[in-house]
Amino acid sequence: QVRLVESGGGVVQPGGSQRLSCAASGLVFWKYGMHWVRQAPGKGLEWVAFIRYDGSDKFYADSVKGRFTISRDSPKNTLYLQMDSLTPDDTAIYYCAKDLSAFGNYEPVDFDYRGQGALVTVSS
Amino acid sequence: EILMTQSPATLSVSPGERVTLSCRASQNIKNDLAWYQQKPGRAPRLLIYGASTRATGIPVRFSGSGSGTEFTLTISSLQSDDFAVYYCHQYNHWPPLTFGGGTKVEIK
Repeated sequence: QVRLVESGGGVVQPGGSQRLSCAASGLVFWKYGMHWVRQAPGKGLEWVAFIRYDGSDKFYADSVKGRFTISRDSPKNTLYLQMDSLTPDDTAIYYCAKDLSAFGNYEPVDFDYRGQGALVTVSS
Repeated sequence: EILMTQSPATLSVSPGERVTLSCRASQNIKNDLAWYQQKPGRAPRLLIYGASTRATGIPVRFSGSGSGTEFTLTISSLQSDDFAVYYCHQYNHWPPLTFGGGTKVEIK
């Protein structure tokens, strides 16, 4: 079964940086587009970033464009999110997720529903 | 950006009742619509994709319908395990991918 386990969350000061990691197992990682989706405390879901299965395309939400960088290390089955210039509005649980199908173009986001995400708190 | 609007925000129901949740897209998204269930402290779980296809392992009491801009998630007979927040999600026109604001199904 697919497992996506996020790590790297914590408390960071405004203006600071944080890098999240997502360890993937139970899937052929290099075949899947991957996403980061976040959820502010008590709020709904917000898509953050996407990287295509081969790394050829990267897309970002306007709210993080120019500050966040998504990347992947397919041999290590790991997804990353480098977050710079953090503000309190970036405080959220960050979930790693995959495209539902391999090599997809128009695919729904598929989470590991047993996962708890990584909590990032931006506060002084 | 496609705006997804869910209604109602909260639904109070009793176990065994039939539940209907609505989701409206601001533009035609064909049938590129998914539904998720989220429980406290957990990531969302994919229930439905392609507007009406149940994801792996999802009970038959969950069904989805609609196309274009109007979509519905129906739970035929609500079980105690179904009390949660439900989100819709469009993946037709992106970036950005967008989600609805959620409907909380609570015990009456």
